[in-house]
Amino acid sequence: DAGITQSPRHKVTETGTPVTLRCHQTENHRYMYWYRQDPGHGLRLIHYSYGVKDTDKGEVSDGYSVSRSKTEDFLLTLESATSSQTSVYFCAISESGRIRGYEQYFGPGTRLTVT
Amino acid sequence: GEDVEQSLFLSVREGDSSVINCTYTDSSSTYLYWYKQEPGAGLQLLTYIFSNMDMKQDQRLTVLLNKKDKHLSLRIADTQTGDSAIYFCAERSGGATNKLIFGTGTLLAVQP
Repeated sequence: DAGITQSPRHKVTETGTPVTLRCHQTENHRYMYWYRQDPGHGLRLIHYSYGVKDTDKGEVSDGYSVSRSKTEDFLLTLESATSSQTSVYFCAISESGRIRGYEQYFGPGTRLTVT
Repeated sequence: GEDVEQSLFLSVREGDSSVINCTYTDSSSTYLYWYKQEPGAGLQLLTYIFSNMDMKQDQRLTVLLNKKDKHLSLRIADTQTGDSAIYFCAERSGGATNKLIFGTGTLLAVQP
């Protein structure tokens, strides 16, 4: 299994509070991604990173920000959590290279509940 | 725009073959993937196929790709109860960002 951990694994927070989720990898992969998973929507990309300090928006980025100060860590921040951000959040990593098919490897997920 | 569609549910009996289907819209897709998600877990990469291939076989798994119809399928031979999970197909469009577009997932229920 790829070395990807996410913390916390579960969190309950109140509307309006800031929340930061952490993704940590030990694979030294260049690309890192944050997705959210909701029933009926599959996985949707929130933000991604293509290197240290290099990030870009995905399809559902409103209300989220990210930072990547080290290769191994990618942080997702909800500045002011809302109930619509209740979801399961997955981090993924990949390494460029056609030989390996550009596949992405996923962490175990963080279940976030905003009350 | 890019879109990936899957049927929501498939039920099979243990020992039978399962076929999970997926359609995509982006004709520039370079790689297509199948992931498996067991309850409470992350996504596990099962296999992938490059767009210039028609078929790929890996033990009990067979992936078929019809580029003309933009149709992808995953066949699981001799389906076991441990195969019960949600299966996602995903496409990678061209470009350097390695972004994937996922389908909504197919729940496979294997009856003993």
